[in-house]
Amino acid sequence: EPEVTQTPSHQVTQMGQEVILRCVPISNHLYFYWYRQILGQKVEFLVSFYNNEISEKSEIFDDQFSVERPDGSNFTLKIRSTKLEDSAMYFCASDRPGEDMNTEAFFGQGTRLTVV
Amino acid sequence: AQKVTQAQTEISVVEKEDVTLDCVYETRDTTYYLFWYKQPPSGELVFLIRRNSFDEQNEISGRYSWNFQKSTSSFNFTITASQVVDSAVYFCALSERGGGTSYGKLTFGQGTILTVHP
Repeated sequence: EPEVTQTPSHQVTQMGQEVILRCVPISNHLYFYWYRQILGQKVEFLVSFYNNEISEKSEIFDDQFSVERPDGSNFTLKIRSTKLEDSAMYFCASDRPGEDMNTEAFFGQGTRLTVV
Repeated sequence: AQKVTQAQTEISVVEKEDVTLDCVYETRDTTYYLFWYKQPPSGELVFLIRRNSFDEQNEISGRYSWNFQKSTSSFNFTITASQVVDSAVYFCALSERGGGTSYGKLTFGQGTILTVHP
């Protein structure tokens, strides 16, 4: 069964460093998402990406964040200058609307980011 | 704006008990989708079910069942004869159909931590 894959599974970085989280969505999917889950809290939407541009972003997704689909297969989330509060699990998801326009986002296994 | 409320923060049961996890949602859309995800201690999100707003039929899948009631904006999840392996965090989520910009964006509830004791 096709799946969304994320690398790395765990990343530790120093405060102020740039970090790139990588995702390979399911190959025929058209919509791509990043979500964040701070430890012990709910999963929060960060950004959606469609047709090579951001279609929606939350207020969490400030200028420190950016997304890119550099080569038609990878989908990356970059955090320019990490802060302690960026420590969280980051989930990538992808989706392709069915004939009845239903939606079922497929989630990757997550990348746990720890900022020290 | 859409909102999902899971009022039960933690539930603790003994194996073989039935347990119901509550989910109440708010949306202005007439077309929307409701989901349940399981998050085991390993951290991944495991898809359990999707329901669209036009289908109010209850669903049963093995020990799992879901009760969707539009009149009360609720989508409750029942585990029958719970097992230790059911211990996890369970999230209810909502997606408005929304069209191009918000298509597929999920709003999650706070989650319910279920602990099943042997």
